[in-house]
Amino acid sequence: QKEVEQNSGPLSVPEGAIASLNCTYSDRGSQSFFWYRQYSGKSPELIMFIYSNGDKEDGRFTAQLNKASQYVSLLIRDSQPSDSATYLCAGPRNSGNTPLVFGKGTRLSVIA
Amino acid sequence: SQTIHQWPATLVQPVGSPLSLECTVEGTSNPNLYWYRQAAGRGLQLLFYSVGIGQISSEVPQNLSASRPQDRQFILSSKKLLLSDSGFYLCAWQASGWDNEQFFGPGTRLTVL
Repeated sequence: QKEVEQNSGPLSVPEGAIASLNCTYSDRGSQSFFWYRQYSGKSPELIMFIYSNGDKEDGRFTAQLNKASQYVSLLIRDSQPSDSATYLCAGPRNSGNTPLVFGKGTRLSVIA
Repeated sequence: SQTIHQWPATLVQPVGSPLSLECTVEGTSNPNLYWYRQAAGRGLQLLFYSVGIGQISSEVPQNLSASRPQDRQFILSSKKLLLSDSGFYLCAWQASGWDNEQFFGPGTRLTVL
């Protein structure tokens, strides 16, 4: 099983709707997770991080971590066309001194 | 605040030519540094990482190499480029500690012809 998995999409949502992006991971000991947004032709930009079970909100973004079920999600409320991008999930490769591992990303398209 | 620089922004090189991409970080000390490659429409492939001066870990055996001559400088090199080396090369830094977030530079788009 790959360490961090994401549905590649594309995920299409209408403007104003909630976009839900999901990521599953294999290492039960993983502590921290990160969500990055990458616009076409640009480098990834950190938008959210979450370390503990539950929800973390920042503006229109909510990150959710469920360690028992080994998934982390990103909700984008009131989606805007400017949210159209690829969203990358990242987490520890395994419990130890190793670099983060990135999912392949989910492409989100917000339709005006 | 911290800043990460990469240059050049774009590069077109013939097959068999050498390569040198440079990355520098400002505003932090002893960061972890990373080189990634992203092929068109693909995910991030970790190439090298470094936890300190002269310390390089290679993730994928290939014709690329990396060096860290100074604390905040990371260089990606090749002696002979292949067509398959084309891609978007990203440098990233991370405050010392594996659980911290990584921050990416603007990237170098390399086309090998």
